[in-house]
Amino acid sequence: SQQGEEDPQALSIQEGENATMNCSYKTSINNLQWYRQNSGRGLVHLILIRSNEREKHSGRLRVTLDTSKKSSSLLITASRAADTASYFCATALYGNKLVFGAGTILRVKS
Amino acid sequence: EPEVTQTPSHQVTQMGQEVILRCVPISNHLYFYWYRQILGQKVEFLVSFYNNEISEKSEIFDDQFSVERPDGSNFTLKIRSTKLEDSAMYFCASRAPYRDGNTEAFFGQGTRLTVV
Repeated sequence: SQQGEEDPQALSIQEGENATMNCSYKTSINNLQWYRQNSGRGLVHLILIRSNEREKHSGRLRVTLDTSKKSSSLLITASRAADTASYFCATALYGNKLVFGAGTILRVKS
Repeated sequence: EPEVTQTPSHQVTQMGQEVILRCVPISNHLYFYWYRQILGQKVEFLVSFYNNEISEKSEIFDDQFSVERPDGSNFTLKIRSTKLEDSAMYFCASRAPYRDGNTEAFFGQGTRLTVV
């Protein structure tokens, strides 16, 4: 299987609820990054967490990283309709290429 | 806010034709990348470019593909003889100079290539 696999593949929630997406990977990493992609658009960087960090916050986003389990989670709190998008995790080793997962499609219903 | 810009936003080409996709990375960035995303699939790495040469390429990036930084600002991806399976969204990305290796990549809005 591939580096950076997200689950669930799709998630539908009501506005105001929290959304949690998970990512697993297989190799050593230097950092893990989360990106958002609105339909048919470019990738927007959300947050980067280094391999020696366990948790990071940015606004309504909270990312955790467990290198022993080779997994990460992205939590979006108090979701809004505008959060509707695809979310991808991507791993990087020593600043080289990013390896993307398949993504989670999040739909926030208002 | 500085951004990566890509042109054109959409290109339709006949199979077998050459296409050039253009990108203007963020001005103080030194690392440049091309990725592609076939509709409904994951984003795939094609090539990375640093110090005027390819630093890494994937197995997708065969002899039909080439990259160039013809001047101080543009970064191009050329596909010599397009195939139907080259139809995809192509993303350019750039990254700031290496610090501890932990800098984010900034992506352009993409060029949607349709080969007919």
